[in-house]
Amino acid sequence: QQPVQSPQAVILREGEDAVINCSSSKALYSVHWYRQKHGEAPVFLMILLKGGEQKGHEKISASFNEKKQQSSLYLTASQLSYSGTYFCGTADRGSTLGRLYFGRGTQLTVWP
Amino acid sequence: DAGITQSPRHKVTETGTPVTLRCHQTENHRYMYWYRQDPGHGLRLIHYSYGVKDTDKGEVSDGYSVSRSKTEDFLLTLESATSSQTSVYFCAISENRWTDYGYTFGSGTRLTVV
Repeated sequence: QQPVQSPQAVILREGEDAVINCSSSKALYSVHWYRQKHGEAPVFLMILLKGGEQKGHEKISASFNEKKQQSSLYLTASQLSYSGTYFCGTADRGSTLGRLYFGRGTQLTVWP
Repeated sequence: DAGITQSPRHKVTETGTPVTLRCHQTENHRYMYWYRQDPGHGLRLIHYSYGVKDTDKGEVSDGYSVSRSKTEDFLLTLESATSSQTSVYFCAISENRWTDYGYTFGSGTRLTVV
């Protein structure tokens, strides 16, 4: 039930764009995105809900294709502060207890 | 202003000893979770709680037990620590079962079993 993330790693220059993908084999209620800096806790970025509602970040956007059980995170005009590991977390439609399954992460490095 | 704290932050213990990690929250959230994070595996759910005295197993629960006697505290116990339980442990809280506002994670406990 663990979602699959791709790519595993991305290296960018400041100002460049990146896309991170998340795919699940289960019917999903929602997809979460988190960023984790080295040695720190994951931090919630945004949630995408079944039905298309999106809640979260100003400069980072995402999409959720319910039929394909896929989500993509779009980082536009990357800044140095975007560096870190990005995780998607998925909530299955059948789950009633809020548990998330996390992908293995995508390591994003932004260079000046 | 952290609404969730974990203790200890670091611990080294010997194989075979019991270890208890504590997660304390001040948000009055009903849902609490224990995850472990290992390189290449991401975050994997150990146990979770959906209320006082209401707990259930996650995907990697063998060798772990939990207790929740108060809304604010969720304890994770390694009954007899093994080297395979060397990991970083994160506690998370959620406002509701739909997790509409995401998880808030604690700062983590780095556990080394020697």
